[in-house]
Amino acid sequence: DPKIIQKPKYLVAVTGSEKILICEQYLGHNAMYWYRQSAKKPLEFMFSYSYQKLMDNQTASSRFQPQSSKKNHLDLQITALKPDDSATYFCASSHRDTQYFGPGTRLLVL
Amino acid sequence: GEQVEQRPPHLSVPEGDSAVIICTYTDSATAYFYWYKQEPGAGLQLLMSVFSNVDRKEEQGLTVLLNKKDKQLSLNLTAAHPGDSAVYFCAVSVGQGGSAKLIFGEGTKLTVSS
Repeated sequence: DPKIIQKPKYLVAVTGSEKILICEQYLGHNAMYWYRQSAKKPLEFMFSYSYQKLMDNQTASSRFQPQSSKKNHLDLQITALKPDDSATYFCASSHRDTQYFGPGTRLLVL
Repeated sequence: GEQVEQRPPHLSVPEGDSAVIICTYTDSATAYFYWYKQEPGAGLQLLMSVFSNVDRKEEQGLTVLLNKKDKQLSLNLTAAHPGDSAVYFCAVSVGQGGSAKLIFGEGTKLTVSS
């Protein structure tokens, strides 16, 4: 059974719209993360959460907002979508210093 | 901040040969190092993690070498087979625990031909 679930797997959105990417982990980890992988840049860190509190934010734009409703959930809300937001978004969680990744959500903004 | 360079970007080897991927990092205080494998359309699969007090680690046909003097991390796949074809990423951890973030190399696309 997958231990880190990301939904949806694929997402197509129009410019200016808003989408929420879902992440749930069943590894019992207290830290969760978001990363982005695009054609233009290597995997880049976006956010880290520990015990549902934001620890680090490396995303310049406030259009990206993580949301943690439960300890094992870390969703990512993206508003005012732009074509440059097209990427695969990976959720991860960690035990101590080792991070485990979900399968990703591939977002295409038209 | 920490920077990671990975080479080569592409690597083709015949089945049975070894494949070596090298990463260099900039921060000598970095303590944790990782190798991940990404198959097409999939997430990142953790291959190996190495703490800075380890120079060499071997697991299931993979060898990771850590040269702290030269700030270099390498992955050696011995006797590669077509199932090893994927993109490989090195990563280093910056920060600790829940505030840690991974800095990734650019990736190496490995193709193993039968």
